[in-house]
Amino acid sequence: DVKVTQSSRYLVKRTGEKVFLECVQDMDHENMFWYRQDPGLGLRLIYFSYDVKMKEKGDIPEGYSVSREKKERFSLILESASTNQTSMYLCASTPLDGLAGYFGPGTRLTVL
Amino acid sequence: ELKVEQNPLFLSMQEGKNYTIYCNYSTTSDRLYWYRQDPGKSLESLFVLLSNGAVKQEGRLMASLDTKARLSTLHITAAVHDLSATYFCAVDGIDNTDKLIFGTGTRLQVFP
Repeated sequence: DVKVTQSSRYLVKRTGEKVFLECVQDMDHENMFWYRQDPGLGLRLIYFSYDVKMKEKGDIPEGYSVSREKKERFSLILESASTNQTSMYLCASTPLDGLAGYFGPGTRLTVL
Repeated sequence: ELKVEQNPLFLSMQEGKNYTIYCNYSTTSDRLYWYRQDPGKSLESLFVLLSNGAVKQEGRLMASLDTKARLSTLHITAAVHDLSATYFCAVDGIDNTDKLIFGTGTRLQVFP
């Protein structure tokens, strides 16, 4: 019953490294999202995509980029990881018709 | 800028009691979602509210939407321990996009 998967549950990287977080959904959803979740700050939208090769900035895109080459896959890239990017990263996908979407299990990233 | 605010942020309640969580949003939207998150887990969809006056119920939880007041409520009836979790509301459809913005979350703890 796999719906949204993320490439890693836990990840430890060093400052300055390039980091790739992968998200794959199997529901043929048009929209995909990347959020980070930090204590006391809720879920903050980093980027979202409403179609292949389309992307829109969310509320906190600085230091991140994304790629959506195929409908089912949405990648989040940290070009040069910094300690303030230590967080839980959640991927989600939703259909166009307004029905609720699904979240992946999350990736807890630690940047040392 | 869309803001989604929930209150209370923390709620500790006794089993058997009733309580309401409030979700206010700052921009017109006709679509509101409620999600649940258990500690260490990802988010799970609870309700989708797509029109003014919409009411959905599942077990001891009931959600409603008033788009004119830009307010949604999540009412808990006769709380049980299994309802302990963090509850998020989310809004999309802003500016004709599917950008999905979350509230800060309400952490609910139900004790005997």
